[in-house]
Amino acid sequence: NAGVTQTPKFQVLKTGQSMTLQCAQDMNHEYMSWYRQDPGMGLRLIHYSVGAGITDQGEVPNGYNVSRSTTEDFPLRLLSAAPSQTSVYFCASSYSEGGPYEQYFGPGTRLTVT
Amino acid sequence: AQSVTQLGSHVSVSEGALVLLRCNYSSSVPPYLFWYVQYPNQGLQLLLKYTTGATLVKGINGFEAEFKKSETSFHLTKPSAHMSDAAEYFCAVSRSSGNTPLVFGKGTRLSVIA
Repeated sequence: NAGVTQTPKFQVLKTGQSMTLQCAQDMNHEYMSWYRQDPGMGLRLIHYSVGAGITDQGEVPNGYNVSRSTTEDFPLRLLSAAPSQTSVYFCASSYSEGGPYEQYFGPGTRLTVT
Repeated sequence: AQSVTQLGSHVSVSEGALVLLRCNYSSSVPPYLFWYVQYPNQGLQLLLKYTTGATLVKGINGFEAEFKKSETSFHLTKPSAHMSDAAEYFCAVSRSSGNTPLVFGKGTRLSVIA
């Protein structure tokens, strides 16, 4: 199993540009989520999904869109990038039936918005 | 609502000394509790988790944590620090029922001095 994969590893955007961060998992996990990590802030939840076709907002959803058309993929879209979105983004997945909800993390995407 | 407080954003110990990283949680329902470790430029890796049953939980790399309901704490310890333990550590909580995301603390950076 490749686990959770994220592409790209690094990205530089100009203010106003759009892009999609890709996330895929091959563990047949129902639950997937996106976090951003900023110094001194820990990990903050952006969006999450409990299955294909079902998404919900997390703590910091503004400026980001998601969709979940398959179990495997959960892309994160930045519609109009802003410098405040400079961060490291992590995708995670887990089973959603029963518990506990141990999450498996991807290696991250480091995004810089200039 | 759930929350996690990690006391101390940075902890420094000598090699061979006791490691103690503090975590207090708030949860209106019985929680699941986790400790994750993040090495530089990597994603998060699960160290250990508490679900139900034994309150002393052993994890990887010699770490353990004790769930104390009366103190709402889940502190992480290791008897003897090794240079390779230098990393950032995150405590996280989730509800023990339903599909709910993890809530992370802000993290504690552990430095190990030779």
